[in-house]
This record gives sequence, structure tokens and C-alpha cells, in this order.
Amino acid sequence: GIQVEQSPPDLILQEGANSTLRCNFSDSVNNLQWFHQNPWGQLINLFYIPSGTKQNGRLSATTVATERYSLLYISSSQTTDSGVYFCAVERDSNYQLIWGAGTKLIIKP
Amino acid sequence: EAQVTQNPRYLITVTGKKLTVTCSQNMNHEYMSWYRQDPGLGLRQIYYSMNVEVTDKGDVPEGYKVSRKEKRNFPLILESPSPNQTSLYFCAASWTVGNEQFFGPGTRLTVL
Repeated sequence: GIQVEQSPPDLILQEGANSTLRCNFSDSVNNLQWFHQNPWGQLINLFYIPSGTKQNGRLSATTVATERYSLLYISSSQTTDSGVYFCAVERDSNYQLIWGAGTKLIIKP
Repeated sequence: EAQVTQNPRYLITVTGKKLTVTCSQNMNHEYMSWYRQDPGLGLRQIYYSMNVEVTDKGDVPEGYKVSRKEKRNFPLILESPSPNQTSLYFCAASWTVGNEQFFGPGTRLTVL
């Protein structure tokens, strides 16, 4: 089946720093989504991005479907950005989301 | 307010004692799913439902059952829980599988 790999697994940064999180997938997909799980366990959808680039405030995401990867950029990090970031892909012709293992981000004040 | 609710939020039970975790959404979404989250493994899909009376197995369906008798509810049933089903469970709803997923707050289950 399709493999979804995220890197790095862990990232510790000072407040104000920028970061790039990567998601690689092993096969063609219908779409890709980025999620944030905060330290209290709540899961929030950040981007629905099968291709191209989207921006939402300090966050932006780019997916290059032909090369099978997506990047999540966080600029001017804040402590509230801490948590785990997941990417999830929908398989072609299959109504399921396959999730990566996540990147755990810690932003220190 | 659009939301997905799950109950209970926390549950400690013993091996073999049947339990049900409820999930309800108020958005009239057609697609609902159940995930379990274990350390280092991300989220793994247990079951999903494309619409009322339509359910399908995800990647880890063994030991679980679901039903979708009405659009808003999608309960997860563990007929005979075992310790390897100790996990954090999430219910999610979306218009279709590829649209923005709305997650419930999670249910932390411990099976002794």
C-alpha cells in the first residue's frame, strides 16, 4: 500500500524561528491534507492541498504531486504552534485517508 | 456551531466487557470515520462510512464493529475488548473523504 513519510520526526525551535516540515508519499494520490494536533489532543485541519501552494496567515503549504511530496512552512513560530503535525493522503479510487506518523514540534519561549 | 461529539471521553474497562463509543455530528456530512492513534504510528483508520447504511473496513478493523443507521451517528462497538485495543480513538466527519475533516475530541480507552 501507499507509504506516507514525514520528516523530521521531532523539531525543537525558539519562538520566532521559521520551520519546514516535509511529507513524502509513495504513490499518486487524489488529495493531501495537513493537520495540527495540539498538546491537548485536538486535531485541526490546516490545509487541503492536492497540488500547488496555499497560505493561511503564518502557515503555508506546497504540494508537488508529480514528485510526490508536500511541504508545510511555519514562519515566525509561536508557542501555540507546538504540537504534532500530520499529513494525510487519499489514495486514488479509494475512499480512505492514509496518515503519516507526524512531526512533533516544540516551540520554546 | 459545527461539531463532532464523542462519548465517553475517557473509559477504563476490562477484557471482554462489551462497550460502545458514540459519535455524533451536526453538519449533515455524509462521510464519517473512526481512527485509532497509537504512539509513533500516527492515525490508523478503523472503519469508514460513505453514507447511511454504507460502511467499509479501514486498515485496522479487527475487533471492531460500526453501524450507520442515521446520518448524524456513527457508533464504534467493541464486542470483546482486549488490552491491545487500548488507544486514543477519534471520530471524524466530512462532506466527502477528500474534504476538510472535522474531528471529535477523542476517547481515551484503557482495557485492563
